[in-house]
Amino acid sequence: AQSVTQLDSQVPVFEEAPVELRCNYSSSVSVYLFWYVQYPNQGLQLLLKYLSGSTLVKGINGFEAEFNKSQTSFHLRKPSVHISDTAEYFCAVSNTGGFKTIFGAGTRLFVKA
Amino acid sequence: DAEITQSPRHKITETGRQVTLACHQTWNHNNMFWYRQDLGHGLRLIHYSYGVQDTNKGEVSDGYSVSRSNTEDLPLTLESAASSQTSVYFCASSVGSGGEETQYFGPGTRLLVL
Repeated sequence: AQSVTQLDSQVPVFEEAPVELRCNYSSSVSVYLFWYVQYPNQGLQLLLKYLSGSTLVKGINGFEAEFNKSQTSFHLRKPSVHISDTAEYFCAVSNTGGFKTIFGAGTRLFVKA
Repeated sequence: DAEITQSPRHKITETGRQVTLACHQTWNHNNMFWYRQDLGHGLRLIHYSYGVQDTNKGEVSDGYSVSRSNTEDLPLTLESAASSQTSVYFCASSVGSGGEETQYFGPGTRLLVL
């Protein structure tokens, strides 16, 4: 069975500082990996996804993530955050050939002025 | 523009009542999903559908049902609402069958069961 662990439930950070949101997964088969963002009172929207190829994936709003197969991780990073990045971030995994996506519990990012 | 909508956006009901939450998408996606979001649990899958007349149970399906009579709609019914079903409910859709598809989410429905 697949699972996703987001290691931090909340991450406070000052504006213009770098941030890393951590995600580990477990799966016995090849996977696809996703990061979604949820702004207050909205649904989720895709930030980026890893399907194959380069392990460094770039997404919207300056975010990027690196797939590390040996450490089964897919950490999300941004070199300089803005107040507008305050949101909840979800890591998710699906297996190749499957329909269902498993979501982590989420990490709340608070960006302070 | 294509979109996915949910109604109502907010609902208060009483224990034991039947409640139906609507989900409508104009993406023409074959896959549709219902999730509930609770603090500390992230999103948990309730039911999903791969196409018309197809429905499947997710990890937290007890007390919920769905039906898919057309491509656009997947209503979620709470047969007899319980306080444990107080939550935020999200509908999502996607196209394809390989696992790599992006899911497109509705704005959510906040349900309070008293």
